[in-house]
Amino acid sequence: EVQLVESGGGLVQPGGSLRLSCVASGFSISTYEMNWVRQRPGKGLEWVSYIDGSGGAMFCADSVKGRFTSSRDNAKNSLYLEMNNLRAEDTALYYCARDYFDASGTAFDIWGQGTLVTVSS
Amino acid sequence: EIVLTQSPGTLSLSPGERATLSCRASQTVTSTYLAWYQQRPGQTPRLLIYGASSRATGIPDRFSGSGSGTDFTLTISGLEPEDFAVYYCQHYGIAPPCTFGQGTKLEI
Repeated sequence: EVQLVESGGGLVQPGGSLRLSCVASGFSISTYEMNWVRQRPGKGLEWVSYIDGSGGAMFCADSVKGRFTSSRDNAKNSLYLEMNNLRAEDTALYYCARDYFDASGTAFDIWGQGTLVTVSS
Repeated sequence: EIVLTQSPGTLSLSPGERATLSCRASQTVTSTYLAWYQQRPGQTPRLLIYGASSRATGIPDRFSGSGSGTDFTLTISGLEPEDFAVYYCQHYGIAPPCTFGQGTKLEI
């Protein structure tokens, strides 16, 4: 079964750091671009970051630029999100999502179940 | 950055009825890069439509997408009880960033 499983969320104080992991099964992430998307409590979806298949190109939303870094270890079939200098507004459920594209279009076709990050003192 | 505005914010309908959800982009977008997702309460988002009108694998044919330029529509024909959820449109182009609309809640 094709699946993504996130972990690493938890309670952290403002200014603290956290590293999220996303492990893939049923497919090799080396051939896919990957993304992180978050959802604040009761709110909509917000794209956080993108990383290409090799890990050579990474982009982040302006709201997290300079604080969050996405990386990957294709040998471990895993994706990571390093989050530093966390703020209360980073409190959210964080999803990893797989890129899909074909001749018709692009989208995120596989999503994990999410891992909850709570930033609070 | 492209801004997507969805309307209405909430849509109240009954099972069996037809739902029409709108997504308007702040500038012309390529249809290839427009997708729709469903999120049921407590669940992860699910891809419904990509390329504005192509159904994702396993999506029932009562779901259809259309539109071009700045105006896109998700239509659900013959609402089933499990269709009552929040729906998001997304623009995901050849390069980041990706943007989502704020969502439309479809309620009974």
